[in-house]
Amino acid sequence: NAGVTQTPKFQVLKTGQSMTLQCAQDMNHEYMSWYRQDPGMGLRLIHYSVGAGITDQGEVPNGYNVSRSTTEDFPLRLLSAAPSQTSVYFCASSYSTGAEGYTFGSGTRLTVV
Amino acid sequence: GQNIDQPTEMTATEGAIVQINCTYQTSGFNGLFWYQQHAGEAPTFLSYNVLDGLEEKGRFSSFLSRSKGYSYLLLKELQMKDSASYLCAVREGQAGTALIFGKGTTLSVSS
Repeated sequence: NAGVTQTPKFQVLKTGQSMTLQCAQDMNHEYMSWYRQDPGMGLRLIHYSVGAGITDQGEVPNGYNVSRSTTEDFPLRLLSAAPSQTSVYFCASSYSTGAEGYTFGSGTRLTVV
Repeated sequence: GQNIDQPTEMTATEGAIVQINCTYQTSGFNGLFWYQQHAGEAPTFLSYNVLDGLEEKGRFSSFLSRSKGYSYLLLKELQMKDSASYLCAVREGQAGTALIFGKGTTLSVSS
């Protein structure tokens, strides 16, 4: 049981490049979310999904796309990287009740130069 | 939308008790969560409150008052390893099921 797996762990991009951050969970969780964490700003919600085929925007969605074609996977796409997207990105998942808490992946540290 | 407030920093000594407060304003409350995050690591789940009252889990307890929009996390018998950030998060039932986080409280425990 791997939990929530994020890849890559570290990435450096040049301004304007695109890339996909991968997130996979093997716990059959319905809900999945993407957050970014910046110093002094806490965790901010980018996008979330309540099930396969359903996604919605969070607090800071601009510059990011998501899709949820399967229950297990929830990739985050950066369309045209900007230095303002330098951050640590966390993926999280949970059962629908949420009472057991949301499980976080180990994070992706992204630097855009 | 939500407004979640918690103190930025707190300090305490080993063996002591510390209470970390969290106040929130939300349009459709559906649960409050506390997470612990050590530097450079992912957040880990500590507690969940959806009804008023106290939930106890070993050295950690969490309290909720929905009418006051208020929660606290109580840490007893503090240990050095409790030095971490503590994150308060609220789930809004109407807006969806993702969590909205406060900015976190950094707790430093000294000997």
